[in-house]
Amino acid sequence: DAMVIQNPRYQVTQFGKPVTLSCSQTLNHNVMYWYQQKSSQAPKLLFHYYDKDFNNEADTPDNFQSRRPNTSFCFLDIRSPGLGDAAMYLCATSVTSGAVLSGANVLTFGAGSRLTVL
Amino acid sequence: AQKVTQAQTEISVVEKEDVTLDCVYETRDTTYYLFWYKQPPSGELVFLIRRNSFDEQNEISGRYSWNFQKSTSSFNFTITASQVVDSAVYFCALYGQNFVFGPGTRLSVLP
Repeated sequence: DAMVIQNPRYQVTQFGKPVTLSCSQTLNHNVMYWYQQKSSQAPKLLFHYYDKDFNNEADTPDNFQSRRPNTSFCFLDIRSPGLGDAAMYLCATSVTSGAVLSGANVLTFGAGSRLTVL
Repeated sequence: AQKVTQAQTEISVVEKEDVTLDCVYETRDTTYYLFWYKQPPSGELVFLIRRNSFDEQNEISGRYSWNFQKSTSSFNFTITASQVVDSAVYFCALYGQNFVFGPGTRLSVLP
């Protein structure tokens, strides 16, 4: 089945030790998103790729970086995780041509990667 | 600016009761989408429904129904005859220029 797959599901890292989370999709969607979700909060958008174009949210810390080497894969790099970065990281995809009412504009989410920082 | 408000932080009901989750949104866009997502304890956000701003028809899907009223900027979600498996956090979301999620409502359905 077409889907969004995130690895690893659970990641434990030490304070300051870089970590990379991956996301792959078989939906051939042109937009990929990374969200951070802390306990009992709504998902917070970190950044997204519209095709190859990278769009960073204004309040996303520099500590967070992303790569999208091809349509199917997207990576989230946390260069120096702090205790406050412990969260669920959700990858999502959508297909859109840009106009609001075009395409599905439905976010399809992966199961998430839960990051613990010790 | 876009904003989604879900005033109910937590709701508990007994199985088979009906429950309505409220969602109120703010946007200056004339064209937009509204969504409901379910997040069970497993963590994955599951898409439930999308409604565009030009379609105010209510929708029913099995035990789920949605009431979209532009006059009150509301997009409420009702679960009829709730079941334990409905226990989850439910997010209302708005897409105009970008996606905005509400804070979520945690629904607990007790046996």
